[in-house]
Amino acid sequence: ETGVTQTPRHLVMGMTNKKSLKCEQHLGHNAMYWYKQSAKKPLELMFVYNFKEQTENNSVPSRFSPECPNSSHLFLHLHTLQPEDSALYLCASSQAATSGSRLDTQYFGPGTRLTVL
Amino acid sequence: AQSVTQLGSHVSVSEGALVLLRCNYSSSVPPYLFWYVQYPNQGLQLLLKYTTGATLVKGINGFEAEFKKSETSFHLTKPSAHMSDAAEYFCAVRFYNNNDMRFGAGTRLTVKP
Repeated sequence: ETGVTQTPRHLVMGMTNKKSLKCEQHLGHNAMYWYKQSAKKPLELMFVYNFKEQTENNSVPSRFSPECPNSSHLFLHLHTLQPEDSALYLCASSQAATSGSRLDTQYFGPGTRLTVL
Repeated sequence: AQSVTQLGSHVSVSEGALVLLRCNYSSSVPPYLFWYVQYPNQGLQLLLKYTTGATLVKGINGFEAEFKKSETSFHLTKPSAHMSDAAEYFCAVRFYNNNDMRFGAGTRLTVKP
């Protein structure tokens, strides 16, 4: 496989469920990102991991919990979500995530379409 | 404040016509600039990017964009639209002084036969 993969592609869950989204990158990158894409809203950056360390959390509710066990894998653990959390969740990776770096062109996975009932 | 704006949430062109999608940014220092395309039910795919050097950048699928510092713009163009170009297009900027990639709200391109 090449690029950035995400599983599952579609997920339907109830408000009391616990589920996890998985992202894997095969590009040898050191930075990984979670974005939320809702209808009619700009892409929202949620979390940034650089060399497995979380460097950014954009005021994301605690019902979203990221995990980055290594530079190739990124998870988003979900629990007690709300219907307004329904969206497309996109994972991306880049070579680095340092300020002003031209190495941080981000490559995106296909996304997980999440529906919260 | 640093921001990125895409003018027009929807653009419709006829097949074979010129495609022009507009992007402006607000920053005192020129950022790195990107255009991404998103086809239905897919993630974002990089079309092209500008970091330094030549201001006219050529990308995939016949698209190109020109960085104009004086106009703080990075408009995306394609001389002749194909039906397969129908998608949503996002302009993104990477400012020097933070780690964020800021995305515009997107422009949905429709191509009519």
